[in-house]
Amino acid sequence: EAQVTQNPRYLITVTGKKLTVTCSQNMNHEYMSWYRQDPGLGLRQIYYSMNVEATDKGDVPEGYKVSRKEKRNFPLILESPSPNQTSLYFCASSFRTSGGAHEQFFGPGTRLTVL
Amino acid sequence: SQKIEQNSEALNIQEGKTATLTCNYTNYSPAYLQWYRQDPGRGPVFLLLIRENEKEKRKERLKVTFDTTLKQSLFHITASQPADSATYLCAPPFRRTGGSYIPTFGRGTSLIVHP
Repeated sequence: EAQVTQNPRYLITVTGKKLTVTCSQNMNHEYMSWYRQDPGLGLRQIYYSMNVEATDKGDVPEGYKVSRKEKRNFPLILESPSPNQTSLYFCASSFRTSGGAHEQFFGPGTRLTVL
Repeated sequence: SQKIEQNSEALNIQEGKTATLTCNYTNYSPAYLQWYRQDPGRGPVFLLLIRENEKEKRKERLKVTFDTTLKQSLFHITASQPADSATYLCAPPFRRTGGSYIPTFGRGTSLIVHP
């Protein structure tokens, strides 16, 4: 089954304790992204990756790191989490159609609480 | 700056009626526009894509229009059902300086279909 998986699905942690949220896709997509979703603010892109070893900042990259060493995996790293990073996080992958459009496939989400 | 406007108030309709959701955008010149559905706590799911040279696109009970002059897209669900209750996100792409397109999302409109 074609899918994007994220782990963990739920995480409660404390300020300053480094954490990694994993994301994996089995559709051989070139593009992958991380979003956060907060009430009233909608989906905001954190980072995206165009291919292996190619990443770029989205709208809200501060406090986050990413890496793309393999095509299928795109982990999100919070080196020193803070309470303002409490949010619902989504990973997405996409392919570029012949017309240049990107249809996004989203993971199930990771609900992160930083105390 | 780029702006995507979707009605923040929930749309309540009766089962069997047609739901119409509006997406207005400013400072974009999108070559296409996408609509996604999101259920509470879950990742968005792609529904439809319409290109700038298409006035209308249909898929089963869904219809999308795209008016590049008005900078507006309308999303219609005919013969609505309670199972259509969800948040619907408008997503025009934003073209970065480097030439790549990244998807951007409106905050979404919540649709509630009453039996």
